Amino acid sequence: DVKVTQSSRYLVKRTGEKVFLECVQDMDHENMFWYRQDPGLGLRLIYFSYDVKMKEKGDIPEGYSVSREKKERFSLILESASTNQTSMYLCASSSSGTGLWEQYFGPGTRLTVT
Amino acid sequence: AQSVTQPDIHITVSEGASLELRCNYSYGATPYLFWYVQSPGQGLQLLLKYFSGDTLVQGIKGFEAEFKRSQSSFNLRKPSVHWSDAAEYFCAVAPRGGATNKLIFGTGTLLAVQP
Repeated sequence: DVKVTQSSRYLVKRTGEKVFLECVQDMDHENMFWYRQDPGLGLRLIYFSYDVKMKEKGDIPEGYSVSREKKERFSLILESASTNQTSMYLCASSSSGTGLWEQYFGPGTRLTVT
Repeated sequence: AQSVTQPDIHITVSEGASLELRCNYSYGATPYLFWYVQSPGQGLQLLLKYFSGDTLVQGIKGFEAEFKRSQSSFNLRKPSVHWSDAAEYFCAVAPRGGATNKLIFGTGTLLAVQP
């Protein structure tokens, strides 16, 4: 059974803190994604990685960075958390070719910044 | 502008009734089309996809969707809804042959199922 895991289901951080969200997939997928999900806005892509050490900005990269040192792991970093980054964060992975669009999602991390 | 629209934010159906969730897209060429489902407390799961060929596609959990080029639509259907179908449903599109690698998601339709 394919699996994408995220390090925390719930996280509470203070404004200004540096926050790390971790994602691990066990499917040997080339592509990994970070989305944020907000009510009424659907999913918005933050960053995407198509290979180790490679990354591409999504629609809303401001205030975020990512790291992919190993194929199975993709980290999202909030350099200085702000209250407007309170959201649900979803990680996904997919293979290449037309498999790129068939994304497997983790359960999400609900982040609250106070 | 390229977009995907789910006009219904929230739908309630009775268990055993039929279901249709609407999705419309606005793209220059027919994109790849997808439906994902998010059950409470879980990530998204792919229900079905359309790349080409037969415009009626079958998915998991008894769902199907029909691509209608003339209406730029890809509506999701199920003939008889079960209580476990209560979830949020997202339509998504991907540009065909474009430079972007992104999936574009609609804003979702929340389905409630009443006994």
